[in-house]
Amino acid sequence: DSGVTQTPKHLITATGQRVTLRCSPRSGDLSVYWYQQSLDQGLQFLIQYYNGEERAKGNILERFSAQQFPDLHSELNLSSLELGDSALYFCASSYRQRNTEAFFGQGTRLTVV
Amino acid sequence: QQQVKQSPQSLIVQKGGISIINCAYENTAFDYFPWYQQFPGKGPALLIAIRPDVSEKKEGRFTISFNKSAKQFSLHIMDSQPGDSATYFCAALSGAGSYQLTFGKGTKLSVIP
Repeated sequence: DSGVTQTPKHLITATGQRVTLRCSPRSGDLSVYWYQQSLDQGLQFLIQYYNGEERAKGNILERFSAQQFPDLHSELNLSSLELGDSALYFCASSYRQRNTEAFFGQGTRLTVV
Repeated sequence: QQQVKQSPQSLIVQKGGISIINCAYENTAFDYFPWYQQFPGKGPALLIAIRPDVSEKKEGRFTISFNKSAKQFSLHIMDSQPGDSATYFCAALSGAGSYQLTFGKGTKLSVIP
């Protein structure tokens, strides 16, 4: 168990809908990272927050947004969902801004139908 | 643009054999190279990592070899066991103002008895 908790584990929704994925980092970790994992693209970095502030952005679509709350948990919001958004979404956390010791959650499997 | 190229995509090794996974990178600003192991239904977990000031790092049956001039690094799993069957990802982290890991596309390793 990495100590990173992601909910829900599975999510099935229809195209055009909006969903929210939640991540609770390991106790004491200040950085949260979101990754998307699909079969053809591997693990793609989406966005990083450190102590409530956005620190880095990767290939995150404009339909996607995230935030980190004062208690350090983070939410990834995906809207206007398309079939191609079906993937595993991972959250990782680390103490420092630079994730040399990042710990991953078990992921949320999103299926868009 | 894929900045970390990983091969092979899949690998079948007999129990007791050596598993070798290779990665190559382009960005000379990368200064930290971890390997992650992912079992089905789980998030990636840090396995072993190396910095470019050393050419080899060994932890138990797992060894990273690093060739800075060739911009290549590899994971060797000695005495491979069926329990090592998983997907392995190499990754790289830039020291130049970027905090997110760039992952290879993964290698699915199957160790057969």
